[in-house]
Amino acid sequence: GENVEQHPSTLSVQEGDSAVIKCTYSDSASNYFPWYKQELGKRPQLIIDIRSNVGEKKDQRIAVTLNKTAKHFSLHITETQPEDSAVYFCAASRASGTYKYIFGTGTRLKVLA
Amino acid sequence: NAGVTQTPKFQVLKTGQSMTLQCAQDMNHEYMSWYRQDPGMGLRLIHYSVGAGITDQGEVPNGYNVSRSTTEDFPLRLLSAAPSQTSVYFCASSPRDISGNTIYFGEGSWLTVV
Repeated sequence: GENVEQHPSTLSVQEGDSAVIKCTYSDSASNYFPWYKQELGKRPQLIIDIRSNVGEKKDQRIAVTLNKTAKHFSLHITETQPEDSAVYFCAASRASGTYKYIFGTGTRLKVLA
Repeated sequence: NAGVTQTPKFQVLKTGQSMTLQCAQDMNHEYMSWYRQDPGMGLRLIHYSVGAGITDQGEVPNGYNVSRSTTEDFPLRLLSAAPSQTSVYFCASSPRDISGNTIYFGEGSWLTVV
């Protein structure tokens, strides 16, 4: 069935360094890839998304890249700050057929001051 | 604008009890869904609905029922609670074209089954 693998499960970086989280999806028909940030005890919230007709998207310190051939996409956070500490989830969905997102298992990011 | 509202926020059940988690959205979204979140397991889809009167199973539907009588409401029923259903439950909604639109989550419901 459809599957999204996410790595690493935990990631610690020094404040100011960059963080990269990677996801691989199995459904080749997937064409929408959002990233969610979840702070402790809170709901997941969308931080950035990318569609399959785009290879890269950037929003200030956050960027997402997509490699359709390899079926993987990545989240890049530059100049990390303590408030970036959270759990990050990737997801994949397709344009037709299924009406559901498949989520990765999450990455706990710790930014050390 | 309330968005997606879930109740209750916290609940403790005894094994075998039944209960309903309520979910309502005021954004006129056609798509609604329920996820459970367990440590190291991410967000797993339980049931979803693409409109009033239409529901379908997700990845982990066993032990749960849903109905969608109105666009606004999508309750999740636990028929006979089991300790394995201890989890955090999130209701979510999205405009009709789920494949390309943001999912909006409720605040979550923490359920403990003893």
